[in-house]
Amino acid sequence: DIQLTQSPSFLSASVGDRVSITCRASQGISTYLAWYQQKPGKAPNLLIFAASSLQSGVPSRFHGSGSGTEFTLTISSLQPEDFATYYCQHLYDYPITFGQGTRLEIK
Amino acid sequence: EVQLVESGGGLVQPGGSLRLSCAASGFTFSRFWMSWVRQAPEKGLEWVATIKQDGSEKYYVDSVKGRCTISRDNAKSSLFLQINSLRAEDTAMYFCARSLGGSGVAWGQGTLVTVSS
Repeated sequence: DIQLTQSPSFLSASVGDRVSITCRASQGISTYLAWYQQKPGKAPNLLIFAASSLQSGVPSRFHGSGSGTEFTLTISSLQPEDFATYYCQHLYDYPITFGQGTRLEIK
Repeated sequence: EVQLVESGGGLVQPGGSLRLSCAASGFTFSRFWMSWVRQAPEKGLEWVATIKQDGSEKYYVDSVKGRCTISRDNAKSSLFLQINSLRAEDTAMYFCARSLGGSGVAWGQGTLVTVSS
């Protein structure tokens, strides 16, 4: 099974900051990676698919990059609504797995 | 508008069974792979199962293999998850999802399953 490890698990930042979250895969997954944002009590919301493609309707301050085993989600200028938990997910093969999550909180 | 509405969750005793349903609307259900994803309280997301458009391929996470069956009724635009021999660790919000990980992804709001005596 492919394991996804996110770092950091917790991130404290301020409005306007630039932040990055890393997702490392235990084996190469090409660009079969998605990023989600989840707020408490809500379903996840897709931000990025195919490692770097911005989902329709998602603000351009969200940027995804990487391929193979290392991927990054960058938020260029944090807005108040961005404070949430972020997950990566691969769809390279089965079983599909998610990273453990990165909780982004206001400093 | 794309909508996925889950139902069938509830409180069940260990060893019991549940059948979760997901009613889809606003799109051609038969054209999409469908999945179930769960989230235990205060925990991360866990993929549970996926089914191909025509039901000919099904995939499960190891922890539910032999206890879960994913199925669909394309005529009724519905997705199902039968879970047997329920354990405390199956307690979670169960989400129905379309095209998991792809640009066409859509999620329901979830149905809560609580396994407790």
